Amino acid sequence: GIQVEQSPPDLILQEGANSTLRCNFSDSVNNLQWFHQNPWGQLINLFYIPSGTKQNGRLSATTVATERYSLLYISSSQTTDSGVYFCAASTDRQGAQKLVFGQGTRLTINP
Amino acid sequence: SQTIHQWPATLVQPVGSPLSLECTVEGTSNPNLYWYRQAAGRGLQLLFYSVGIGQISSEVPQNLSASRPQDRQFILSSKKLLLSDSGFYLCAWSRARNQPQHFGDGTRLSIL
Repeated sequence: GIQVEQSPPDLILQEGANSTLRCNFSDSVNNLQWFHQNPWGQLINLFYIPSGTKQNGRLSATTVATERYSLLYISSSQTTDSGVYFCAASTDRQGAQKLVFGQGTRLTINP
Repeated sequence: SQTIHQWPATLVQPVGSPLSLECTVEGTSNPNLYWYRQAAGRGLQLLFYSVGIGQISSEVPQNLSASRPQDRQFILSSKKLLLSDSGFYLCAWSRARNQPQHFGDGTRLSIL
């Protein structure tokens, strides 16, 4: 099955800094999602981005499907951005989308 | 709009006891439904998925089972819990393939 790898595993930044999180995947994908897991465990949808570029406020994401990677950019970080960021991908072309998750990047934003 | 509900939010059970976790989706029909488990605070693993009533597929062999008695209801069960069943269980739904999955708030299960 598909392998999903995220880097870095941990990232500590000061408030206001910018960051780039990377997700590499081993096969062509039909679904690629970025999530933010907050300290209460809630998994928040950030982007559905099997290809292309999207932006939502201070966050943006780019997936280069032909090179099998995706990047999540966070600009002007705030303490509320802290948590674990997951990338998840699926290669399924029909039926249910069986997402395979990376191990996550734990982001800590210090005031 | 669509919403997904999971309960209970937390559960503490003794080894060998039964388990039933419920997940319901509102505002959509015939969703794809999923159960994931997160152990040790990192990485989610897909346990079961369903594309319709009574249709269950299992991804990993384990002590758990799933059922879908109604279109928007997904239940995770066990007859006898093991210590290794501890973890954070999340339910998710999606409309169809090539659509994003949306997650519930999860159930934190501790086995004593």
